[in-house]
Amino acid sequence: GAGVSQSPSNKVTEKGKDVELRCDPISGHTALYWYRQSLGQGLEFLIYFQGNSAPDKSGLPSDRFSAERTGGSVSTLTIQRTQQEDSAVYLCASRTIYNEQFFGPGTRLTVL
Amino acid sequence: AQSVTQLDSHVSVSEGTPVLLRCNYSSSYSPSLFWYVQHPNKGLQLLLKYTSAATLVKGINGFEAEFKKSETSFHLTKPSAHMSDAAEYFCVVTDSGGYQKVTFGTGTKLQVIP
Repeated sequence: GAGVSQSPSNKVTEKGKDVELRCDPISGHTALYWYRQSLGQGLEFLIYFQGNSAPDKSGLPSDRFSAERTGGSVSTLTIQRTQQEDSAVYLCASRTIYNEQFFGPGTRLTVL
Repeated sequence: AQSVTQLDSHVSVSEGTPVLLRCNYSSSYSPSLFWYVQHPNKGLQLLLKYTSAATLVKGINGFEAEFKKSETSFHLTKPSAHMSDAAEYFCVVTDSGGYQKVTFGTGTKLQVIP
């Protein structure tokens, strides 16, 4: 079946603009994660959705970042008033009941 | 609380020689442990996982990892490195508690010298 998909694959934006990044998880996976990977860095956890529970937002770096998950499936990560330090690859993963995460290809965000 | 430490940021081996990538963890609950691989400009791929069954876990591409509770380690090994193994490897711990928080290590870049 289809894996995790993310769109767009690349996004170039100007400082101060808002961006939306989309993640389509694997059907049937109830848990969804967003991570950020800056150049040469490891993965930075951003937010985690599990079923109908309140999301774990503890990794969001500022209030400019928000995410929602509609209908327990598709998720959107929104970054408002983008800054140059937001430039990174944003990765989405959905998780099986056995705790295996399957990652999407990522969205490379460049803020000019 | 949980954490994971990858002891080496870079490892360099010659093709055909053994690979050892070290990972130590701490966890309040019985952990699930994973290794992921990320090839240059590619997505993250699950290599293998430990979830309280056999302590020696076999993964894809000839990799293995052994869970040692007494040493709180989950080192990744491969008997003979191949050029295609050059990538970045991430050790991951997940609590088996209710919320299943996931923590990634900082990664180890493996270089394979011909």
